[in-house]
Amino acid sequence: TQLLEQSPQFLSIQEGENLTVYCNSSSVFSSLQWYRQEPGEGPVLLVTVVTGGEVKKLKRLTFQFGDARKDSSLHITAAQPGDTGLYLCAGFTGFQKLVFGTGTRLLVSP
Amino acid sequence: KAGVTQTPRYLIKTRGQQVTLSCSPISGHRSVSWYQQTPGQGLQFLFEYFSETQRNKGNFPGRFSGRQFSNSRSEMNVSTLELGDSALYLCASSSDRGPTDTQYFGPGTRLTVL
Repeated sequence: TQLLEQSPQFLSIQEGENLTVYCNSSSVFSSLQWYRQEPGEGPVLLVTVVTGGEVKKLKRLTFQFGDARKDSSLHITAAQPGDTGLYLCAGFTGFQKLVFGTGTRLLVSP
Repeated sequence: KAGVTQTPRYLIKTRGQQVTLSCSPISGHRSVSWYQQTPGQGLQFLFEYFSETQRNKGNFPGRFSGRQFSNSRSEMNVSTLELGDSALYLCASSSDRGPTDTQYFGPGTRLTVL
């Protein structure tokens, strides 16, 4: 069974702070995705990383795929209240089959 | 383009009953996947349908089943409901141009089993 462990589980910070969320597995994934989910809605895709060592930036969000394609991180610079939500990493294990991480719930207070 | 729609949005059932949930994918999308989300287990893959055929299946008991129609709309059915089936059921569709094509999620159906 391929598992994705995220840390931390919960994060409560003040606006303007930086944070990093980690996604780790003992399995290798061909690609890994990060989603954000807000209450009452389905997850929304933020980014897909494919190549080991790849770094992608999306405004204040920086995503990194580990060299061995077993882990990934999400770094948010100068967090804003609008960043509040549940962050999920997910890896493809088969055709259109995603394994989701355990999730990190982020609360950014003004 | 309209997003993925799921009906109903909320449902309350009692143990032993059965339930059918519906998902309408984005127009043109032929792949539909179903996921169960609970606080304890997180988001877990149920199954995926493409062109009316189940292509992938997760580790759920046979009480969970699904089907896809020729217009790509999909339904999932849960028979003999248990308290542990209380969850948010999410449907996702993709255009299926590749194995890691983007999946677009609907808002989910929240099922409560009493």
